[in-house]
Amino acid sequence: EVQLVESGGGLARPGGSLRLSCAASGFNFNAYWMSWVRQAPGKGLEWLANIKQDEVEKYHADSVKGRFSISRDNAKSSLYLQMNRLRVEDTAVYFCAKIIYNSGRFPSYDYWGRGTLVTVSS
Amino acid sequence: DIQMTQSPSSLSASIGDTVTIRCRASQSVSTHLNWYQQKPGKAPKPLIYAASTLQSGVPSRFSGSGSGTDFTLTITSLQPEDSAIYYCHQTYGALTWTFGQGTRVEI
Repeated sequence: EVQLVESGGGLARPGGSLRLSCAASGFNFNAYWMSWVRQAPGKGLEWLANIKQDEVEKYHADSVKGRFSISRDNAKSSLYLQMNRLRVEDTAVYFCAKIIYNSGRFPSYDYWGRGTLVTVSS
Repeated sequence: DIQMTQSPSSLSASIGDTVTIRCRASQSVSTHLNWYQQKPGKAPKPLIYAASTLQSGVPSRFSGSGSGTDFTLTITSLQPEDSAIYYCHQTYGALTWTFGQGTRVEI
């Protein structure tokens, strides 16, 4: 059974840092692109970042570029999101998600974690 | 960046109705368009990928269509458990993706 379990959320001060983790199991982690998505309270989904299997390719949303960084450790089947220079508007539930390339061409998310809440407040 | 606009933002329907949700992209995304269903306090659930292909296990009352910039999600014979927020999601191009703002379906 595929499982994605996020951790590392909590309260942070504006300007502070947090590192989120996502522990993956039930699939060959090092064979898949992975992603972070967030959802502010009462708001919609916002794509944040994608990372290729070998970390050679990483992509970040403009809203977090230069402040957040996605990474992974295939030996530990873990995905990470380093969040620096946090802002109040970064308050959200952060989900990790597994990317599948359907028919080899059409990427989508096939599994999501339950999310971890990050609150940025002074 | 490609912007995704869903309409309507919310709708109310009755059991057995057919509802249609629209999603428009600011530029062509070919058929790199997915749909997800999200219920309160839960992670999104994949419904459709590549604009029109149902994910495994998704009831056949859900269907998707479209290509280029205009897409629709249709739910026929609406059921109580279909009450949720539905999001479109483009995955075209240089791996910078975007979601629509969501459509709340109330039954």
